[in-house]
Amino acid sequence: DADVTQTPRNRITKTGKRIMLECSQTKGHDRMYWYRQDPGLGLRLIYYSFDVKDINKGEISDGYSVSRQAQAKFSLSLESAIPNQTALYFCATSAGQGSSPLHFGNGTRLTVT
Amino acid sequence: GQNIDQPTEMTATEGAIVQINCTYQTSGFNGLFWYQQHAGEAPTFLSYNVLDGLEEKGRFSSFLSRSKGYSYLLLKELQMKDSASYLCAALDSNYQLIWGAGTKLIIKP
Repeated sequence: DADVTQTPRNRITKTGKRIMLECSQTKGHDRMYWYRQDPGLGLRLIYYSFDVKDINKGEISDGYSVSRQAQAKFSLSLESAIPNQTALYFCATSAGQGSSPLHFGNGTRLTVT
Repeated sequence: GQNIDQPTEMTATEGAIVQINCTYQTSGFNGLFWYQQHAGEAPTFLSYNVLDGLEEKGRFSSFLSRSKGYSYLLLKELQMKDSASYLCAALDSNYQLIWGAGTKLIIKP
């Protein structure tokens, strides 16, 4: 079983719809992250959380919100999806230190029409 | 601003050696990561360098020069399964990761 699980793997939705992407992990890591990946661009950080009571905006948080329901669960919501939010979304976890590597989920491919 | 530069695409031959370069400009520096990402899959961790020099892990080695803001990933004895994108990412003074756009490596028989 995957250590970091994302659902759904693929999603097609229409402009204006609310959508939630979910992430759960069994690695026991406190730190969790949401990234998006677009062709020709580096991974861009949307939100991150260092523990259940800690939520921080990343470089591209506008149009997104998150919820850290438990140490193991971190969900990303698009309140009103728009076409330029079409991308590959990754959840990741890391251990406590900044130099610890990220462990990624398998990604959610989101298409907004 | 903060920036990572790496080539967009490289081609190499099976069995050969390839070097993927990465230059970085960050506000402070706390290390550099390399990740491998096969098409449609998640990135996976390859290496982390914080001190100058070469670190070897089997067929893969990673080099860092802090004074030059430069790193490279060296892949030896290339195999077809090494066809992937290779992502370079630097940790800035706030321990935030700055990502390059990735280098797509194509291996030809």
